[in-house]
Amino acid sequence: AQSVTQPDIHITVSEGASLELRCNYSYGATPYLFWYVQSPGQGLQLLLKYFSGDTLVQGIKGFEAEFKRSQSSFNLRKPSVHWSDAAEYFCAVGLNTGGFKTIFGAGTRLFVKA
Amino acid sequence: GAGVSQSPSNKVTEKGKDVELRCDPISGHTALYWYRQSLGQGLEFLIYFQGNSAPDKSGLPSDRFSAERTGGSVSTLTIQRTQQEDSAVYLCASSLSGTSAYNEQFFGPGTRLTVL
Repeated sequence: AQSVTQPDIHITVSEGASLELRCNYSYGATPYLFWYVQSPGQGLQLLLKYFSGDTLVQGIKGFEAEFKRSQSSFNLRKPSVHWSDAAEYFCAVGLNTGGFKTIFGAGTRLFVKA
Repeated sequence: GAGVSQSPSNKVTEKGKDVELRCDPISGHTALYWYRQSLGQGLEFLIYFQGNSAPDKSGLPSDRFSAERTGGSVSTLTIQRTQQEDSAVYLCASSLSGTSAYNEQFFGPGTRLTVL
């Protein structure tokens, strides 16, 4: 069955430090991969997506993610975290089953300390 | 332009009562999705509408849950005989088309349901 695993329930980083959020997926075919962010009191916002081509994708707010097929991973990175990045981050895989459905991971909550 | 809107933003109900949650998608979006987000959980897919096609109901957790979409626009998620485990945030999303991964899903702010 298709699944998305985010092994870290929460992560704390210092402002200005680098960030990597892990995501592993299980899907037999070529995956469509997404990262979403949910800030407190806000709806989910798409950060970036991978469909094909260059395995390093750039997103909004200075985020990037790298698709590694051999590791079934799509980790999210940011070189320097800002306090406003504190939020919950969701990795997701898109499934084309005649229609298009998205399976989300359980999320990683990011805390940023001054 | 307006985004996806949901109402009510909060709903408190008593166990056993029925509730209706409403979603207004972005105008022109043919695909509409409902998800449930429980505390500490990811988003759980519930149901998906694409145009006039039969909805994909594979995520509905029980027959107490149902949804309809009238005129290809507004959608209502109904939960009958609510239980305490139904307490969660219910999120609605829409996209231009549900037949392609290229179409980003835009999410509403959600309805927080509390069943006492």
